[in-house]
Amino acid sequence: GDQVEQSPSALSLHEGTGSALRCNFTTTMRAVQWFQQNSRGSLINLFYLASGTKENGRLKSTFNSKESYSTLHIRDAQLEDSGTYFCAAEGGNTGKLIFGLGTTLQVQP
Amino acid sequence: AQTIHQWPVAEIKAVGSPLSLGCTIKGKSSPNLYWYWQATGGTLQQLFYSITVGQVESVVQLNLSASRPKDDQFILSTEKLLLSHSGFYLCAWSPIDTQYFGPGTRLLVL
Repeated sequence: GDQVEQSPSALSLHEGTGSALRCNFTTTMRAVQWFQQNSRGSLINLFYLASGTKENGRLKSTFNSKESYSTLHIRDAQLEDSGTYFCAAEGGNTGKLIFGLGTTLQVQP
Repeated sequence: AQTIHQWPVAEIKAVGSPLSLGCTIKGKSSPNLYWYWQATGGTLQQLFYSITVGQVESVVQLNLSASRPKDDQFILSTEKLLLSHSGFYLCAWSPIDTQYFGPGTRLLVL
């Protein structure tokens, strides 16, 4: 079935540094969403992309549907960025989201 | 502004007992509604979705059922809980594309 492969599974950053998370899709996806899940379990919407690149503050995301991947770049990481990041891809038009396994990010002082 | 509310916040239930979880969305008419389940430390799995009142599509059943009795209400239930039902249940809504999640209900089945 459709799969979303997310990497890395875990990431540790020092404050002020940055990195990138990536999701690869095994089939063509219509759109991708990125979420941050905090310690209470709340899912915070970061981005919705049907194509191209979006930027919001220290976060930037790209979705390349032809090459079947999406990335989330974090720059100048802050302690509050810690949490689990999920990408979720939408294959059809029914709103079915297929989630990656998540990236657990820990930002250290 | 739209708000999404889930109840209860948390439940501890016995194996074999019934369960009913609720989700209400306010401030948006005819939203698409979704139920998700997340095992502890795991990823999210979509269970059901509904486009309109009285209509529910199953994605993965897990011995659960869902109903949409009102435009703004989505209910997840089962008559007999299993240990494997433990986890975090999230309701989501979408106007068209982006899905927005509720605060979730934590369920522990003993």
